[in-house]
Order: sequence, then C-alpha cells, then structure tokens
Amino acid sequence: NAGVMQNPRHLVRRRGQEARLRCSPMKGHSHVYWYRQLPEEGLKFMVYLQKENIIDESGMPKERFSAEFPKEGPSILRIQQVVRGDSAAYFCASSTPRDYEQYFGPGTRLTVT
Amino acid sequence: DAKTTQPTSMDCAEGRAANLPCNHSTISGNEYVYWYRQIHSQGPQYIIHGLKNNETNEMASLIITEDRKSSTLILPHATLRDTAVYYCIVRVVIGGKSTFGDGTTLTVKP
Repeated sequence: NAGVMQNPRHLVRRRGQEARLRCSPMKGHSHVYWYRQLPEEGLKFMVYLQKENIIDESGMPKERFSAEFPKEGPSILRIQQVVRGDSAAYFCASSTPRDYEQYFGPGTRLTVT
Repeated sequence: DAKTTQPTSMDCAEGRAANLPCNHSTISGNEYVYWYRQIHSQGPQYIIHGLKNNETNEMASLIITEDRKSSTLILPHATLRDTAVYYCIVRVVIGGKSTFGDGTTLTVKP
C-alpha cells in the first residue's frame, strides 16, 4: 500500500504566477489535511477536506488560496498570484474516518522567486 | 485545540533513554495526546498516541499524568537516527486538525 504521495516535490514559481500542489491520499482514505511549514517553524494547519467537501478551512489565508478534493483524483492546493512569503514546505496528510493516525506525505517545497 | 508547551531542545547520549516532556494543561476530555517527529525536512512521522492510560509500542512509550495535564515520551534506547524535532499535539481523534507547536529538537550524541 503506497503512502501519501505529493507532487511535485519541488516547485519554483515567479511572483504573480499560480502554484498547484497535488496530494494523493493513501488508498481507502477519504480525509485530507493540508499543512504549511515556513522555514524554521512548525507545521500550521490550513484546511481539512473530505471527498467533495471542505470541512474546516480555518487555517487558510483569506485570499489567493483554495483547496479541493474531488470525487476522483488527488486533492489540489492552489495558490494564485504567489508572493515570496508563500515560499514554504506544504504537507498533506490523510486518514480514514476511523483512523487515529494521520499519515503525512513527503511535502512539496515551494520557492517563489 | 489545546496548546502544548515543550522544551526547545534536548540532548541525549546514544543508547540511553530519551525523556521528552510536554505540558497540555488545557486539554479537553475528548482530546488525545499525539506525538510525531520530523527528521530533517521530511513529512512528520507518527510515533504514538494516548488518552489517559500509558501506552507502549515498538518505537516508544507514552506516560500521561493522572490529571492529563502533561505527558512524557520515552525513547528507551536512543540512536543517532532518533535525532529529530519531536512534536506533542492534542486533538480529537476523528477529523481533528493537528496544531503543531515548535516542538523539541532532540539531538542524540555518540
């Protein structure tokens, strides 16, 4: 059973471009969580999704950021008009509705130049 | 989510037990204590979790005080590969977001 997969692993964008980060949860997992880790800091919760539903987006910036988890395919974290402050590692985690544990992916490292 | 407090850093000699403390004085009755670690900049790795009883698995032991306001993660025989940032988190079990603090940087020395 493959673990949580994220791609790309590294992404470079110029200021003003769009960044799309993908997360494929573990097989059978219907819950996805996105976290952001700024340099030298801990992980910060961004959003919690179930299939086709956003359950908790209390950690998402109000503008430029959006997330989805469609019925088919990976979860997508989208950042529009990126700025240098968006440079960070973005991790996703997945779980089943009954899992005590959230399984984390390897992360996508976004660099905005 | 309850806030947790951990020491910024700790050292441990290789082969000795590493005891990592965590305070979570505002924990709610339905919140569990979870421990994760992050090696270099990899994704966090689950270690162990518990509600109120002490727990043990192949990686570590978790000791939770009777009032549940603090806990200790014990790595019984630390190795160099255990050098990492260790995060203590409290959250509800199902669908709970994890609120990571700054964690404890554990350095295992030969």
